[in-house]
Amino acid sequence: AQSVTQLDSQVPVFEEAPVELRCNYSSSVSVYLFWYVQYPNQGLQLLLKYLSGSTLVKGINGFEAEFNKSQTSFHLRKPSVHISDTAEYFCAVRSAGSARQLTFGSGTQLTVLP
Amino acid sequence: DAGVTQSPTHLIKTRGQQVTLRCSPKSGHDTVSWYQQALGQGPQFIFQYYEEEERQRGNFPDRFSGHQFPNYSSELNVNALLLGDSALYLCASSLTGDTQYFGPGTRLTVL
Repeated sequence: AQSVTQLDSQVPVFEEAPVELRCNYSSSVSVYLFWYVQYPNQGLQLLLKYLSGSTLVKGINGFEAEFNKSQTSFHLRKPSVHISDTAEYFCAVRSAGSARQLTFGSGTQLTVLP
Repeated sequence: DAGVTQSPTHLIKTRGQQVTLRCSPKSGHDTVSWYQQALGQGPQFIFQYYEEEERQRGNFPDRFSGHQFPNYSSELNVNALLLGDSALYLCASSLTGDTQYFGPGTRLTVL
């Protein structure tokens, strides 16, 4: 079984400042990692994913994340945020084996202030 | 290229009733997964359908059941509704269970 911990439930940041949203996972097997974004009253949109290869993954809207196996982390970063980045961000993990269900963290609300 | 679509958008039911939610996967996808997202929480996995069979199931009671049709679309049925079933129900489609793409969800309110 896997679990995901998103360490910050709310992150306020000023426009054009950098941001890091933290995600730690627990698993006894190899995993794939994902970040999704949810805008108000909408479904989830895939930001980026790590399946294998380079541990630095680039996604849409200028976001990137780094997989750190030793620290079991997959933190999301953006060097300069915009008002439009205000949303809920979810980290998710999936077993690299036959179990294909996603296990999600509880989410981080990113609020970008003018 | 249409993404994942879900219907209806919103639904209001009373306790004890039954409800059916529908999902059409993204073109080319053959696997459908269903998730329940309670207010203020992350999505919780209900089950996944592939080749018209339930392939995996999360920790949900038998009141939750599903179906996948030959065209890969899917239904989620919930019987004997409880107040606690109020949530956003998300459908995700994928190719053989790979990266999952989500629909806009169905907001179910149980009174």
